[in-house]
Amino acid sequence: GAGVSQTPSNKVTEKGKYVELRCDPISGHTALYWYRQSLGQGPEFLIYFQGTGAADDSGLPNDRFFAVRPEGSVSTLKIQRTERGDSAVYLCASSLWRDQPQHFGDGTRLSIL
Amino acid sequence: AQSVTQPDIHITVSEGASLELRCNYSYGATPYLFWYVQSPGQGLQLLLKYFSGDTLVQGIKGFEAEFKRSQSSFNLRKPSVHWSDAAEYFCAVGQFGTGTASKLTFGTGTRLQVTL
Repeated sequence: GAGVSQTPSNKVTEKGKYVELRCDPISGHTALYWYRQSLGQGPEFLIYFQGTGAADDSGLPNDRFFAVRPEGSVSTLKIQRTERGDSAVYLCASSLWRDQPQHFGDGTRLSIL
Repeated sequence: AQSVTQPDIHITVSEGASLELRCNYSYGATPYLFWYVQSPGQGLQLLLKYFSGDTLVQGIKGFEAEFKRSQSSFNLRKPSVHWSDAAEYFCAVGQFGTGTASKLTFGTGTRLQVTL
């Protein structure tokens, strides 16, 4: 069955560049989440969408980070003026609706040179 | 703020031996509790969850966990470990009833190594 799909699986870019990371949730899941996992750490919450709206973006580290989910399905995490400290694995998860168990994709490994 | 502590960074067990991974949480109300497993280069797979009711929960792959409110713990157990269980294990807590249960807080993980 189709799980959460994240593309690209790996992204290498230079400091200062703009990147977009895509998440395609499980069909029918209304809730979508982004997490960031640094080396040797557990995932850290970034943002949560219920439908098209960002219900909680309290985990976004600064205004260089932005995420959208315009049609309530696919979501894009956007990072402007990337910094080396942004290097991490970015994980996306979806759930049928809020408060339900979250199903994770395999992540996008972002490396900023 | 909620938090999760996994005191063991790395554990090594022999195949066939029993396993217990520790998890302590800090949260003022009734928590949602989860255990996830992550293999190298993979996302997280849900092993089991506790929302309410029976404090001993069964999960996939023969894992179980027990919620102990008095100890703020949710330890993961398996009676007989298989070599394929070698992975990173994460405990996570979410809030309940506030509309923000979707915000999971993870521990730093326990890396399990299985020797043959």
